[in-house]
Amino acid sequence: KQEVTQIPAALSVPEGENLVLNCSFTDSAIYNLQWFRQDPGKGLTSLLLIQSSQREQTSGRLNASLDKSSGRSTLYIAASQPGDSATYLCASSRGSEKLVFGKGTKLTVNP
Amino acid sequence: SQTIHQWPATLVQPVGSPLSLECTVEGTSNPNLYWYRQAAGRGLQLLFYSVGIGQISSEVPQNLSASRPQDRQFILSSKKLLLSDSGFYLCAWSRGGSNEKLFFGSGTQLSVL
Repeated sequence: KQEVTQIPAALSVPEGENLVLNCSFTDSAIYNLQWFRQDPGKGLTSLLLIQSSQREQTSGRLNASLDKSSGRSTLYIAASQPGDSATYLCASSRGSEKLVFGKGTKLTVNP
Repeated sequence: SQTIHQWPATLVQPVGSPLSLECTVEGTSNPNLYWYRQAAGRGLQLLFYSVGIGQISSEVPQNLSASRPQDRQFILSSKKLLLSDSGFYLCAWSRGGSNEKLFFGSGTQLSVL
């Protein structure tokens, strides 16, 4: 059974800092790895999807990497801003109905 | 562009009362539809998913049921709510295929008292 872990559970950084969020998964037989953002009391917003054949994906200040052999993915946020404050969740996928989510990392960027 | 609508945003219901949460998707046809629950301190749990009208798969046994009466409409129901049904319920959709992104609605915060 796939398990997805995100460490740390919470992270607080000053504005402008570059930061890395970590995601690990136990079963490397995945189709893709997805990163989401969730603001308090809101739904999830899809950030990046990395297919199993890819190593990384970039969108603006966000860069996500995938290392299937080690069962790890990282989300790199460059030049963090207070507006980046949210909970970030990763999910491994073996098909749309087989997403397994981590519990998320709550990020606070202090001005 | 595609949009997903989910309502209500918040709901407070007494134990034993019925439940109906509705979700609709616009701008696409034959989407895969999902109901998730997010409980405090826990990850997202997939409750139901549907790949077509009248086709419902349940991931976990529970007090809830789902229906898909129309292509872009997904309904979560219960005949009698339990305290343990409290949580944040999220509807989502995706296109078919193994590498499609998942798009979520804004969620319903359900409190059963």
